Amino acid sequence: QVQLVQSGAEVKKPGASVRVSCEAFGYTFTTYDVCWVRQATGQGLEWMGWMNPNSGNTNYLPKLRGRVTMTSDTSKNTAYMELSSLTSEDTALYFCARCIRNELFSDSWGQGTLVTVSS
Amino acid sequence: EIVLTQSPGTLSLSPGERATLSCRASQSVSSNYLAWYQQKPGQAPRLLIYGVFNRATAIPDRFTGSGSGTDFTLTISRLEPEDFAVYYCQQYGRSPRTFGQGTKVEIK
Repeated sequence: QVQLVQSGAEVKKPGASVRVSCEAFGYTFTTYDVCWVRQATGQGLEWMGWMNPNSGNTNYLPKLRGRVTMTSDTSKNTAYMELSSLTSEDTALYFCARCIRNELFSDSWGQGTLVTVSS
Repeated sequence: EIVLTQSPGTLSLSPGERATLSCRASQSVSSNYLAWYQQKPGQAPRLLIYGVFNRATAIPDRFTGSGSGTDFTLTISRLEPEDFAVYYCQQYGRSPRTFGQGTKVEIK
């Protein structure tokens, strides 16, 4: 069945970067987009952006442009999300999700990766 | 950016009761690209409804989506114990895709 498995929790200092991976199983990786969503503790969902693993095309939430990079390695069926210049406001649970191409609702989600930014 | 406002913030109901959740958009949602997700504590969200009224795979028919334009509703006809959770709407017709702030359905 479809499964997205994310990398483990990270603790980073302010100003550092973090990279979260998301390995896909059970479907053809290049025929769906990958979306990233984050959730601060006790808060709602924030859509961060998406990437097309087939073309490499991306689209990011405007407030994250310049700090976020979404990439993929199709040989490993894995997507990556890198966020730089971290602040405490980036402390959150980060989810990857399989997104329906050209529509971008998410029909399958990873388990989440907790990123904590603390000095 | 399309802002989605969900109401109420919290809905206190008993098992077997009907739940009606609202999602209002700041501007019309293109092509009725509106989805609903359920999230339980410590879990990832789960897709319930897409395209306003289409149930996702394995979603029971007690979940019904409706609406158009700027006003959308998720109805749970008879609450089961496993339905107590937080529900989010999302519009995916325009970038950036945005979520509502969520409605918590709690046991009364």
